[in-house]
Amino acid sequence: AQTVTQSQPEMSVQEAETVTLSCTYDTSESDYYLFWYKQPPSRQMILVIRQEAYKQQNATENRFSVNFQKAAKSFSLKISDSQLGDAAMYFCAYRSFTGSRLTFGEGTQLTVNP
Amino acid sequence: NAGVTQTPKFQVLKTGQSMTLQCAQDMNHEYMSWYRQDPGMGLRLIHYSVGAGITDQGEVPNGYNVSRSTTEDFPLRLLSAAPSQTSVYFCASSYGRRPRGSSYEQYFGPGTRLTVT
Repeated sequence: AQTVTQSQPEMSVQEAETVTLSCTYDTSESDYYLFWYKQPPSRQMILVIRQEAYKQQNATENRFSVNFQKAAKSFSLKISDSQLGDAAMYFCAYRSFTGSRLTFGEGTQLTVNP
Repeated sequence: NAGVTQTPKFQVLKTGQSMTLQCAQDMNHEYMSWYRQDPGMGLRLIHYSVGAGITDQGEVPNGYNVSRSTTEDFPLRLLSAAPSQTSVYFCASSYGRRPRGSSYEQYFGPGTRLTVT
């Protein structure tokens, strides 16, 4: 079974600075997907960024980028030019290429200080 | 296009009561899932379905039942509520296996906060 670990329960960053959230996972599969979801106080789960394991290039979405290290089974999220609206709980998630189930990490609560 | 809808948004039950959490999607997704979210534990899979008439258990299925009679609907039933089922419940849907580059992420409903006293 796959597992996802987020070792940072809480992180904080100054507005306009850069922060990196860590995620590691364990799997015996070679083909899979990885996601970062954001959950603001509204509780809605919002997809931030996704990565397909077969792609070597790291995914980027505006101020959000990932560092995908397949051999190390690491998938960190970098938020550049942090904004107050980035404050939220962030979840890392794994999905097998052939399945539909998402396995989530425990979450990292990000605080952005003005 | 409403996406994934869930009702109710909030619910308080007494121990032993039963209820059904409703979930519907209008994106013609094959896969639908129910998760529960508890502090410090992320989201955990309760039950899931890969199509109408097909359901299977996830990580934490005890105390919950599901059925999938249509592609659109995937209700979650609590047969006899217990305080341990106090949680936030999310329904999600996605396409099944797709060609590379297609959309395959899960779309989530707004969640239901359930309290069992």
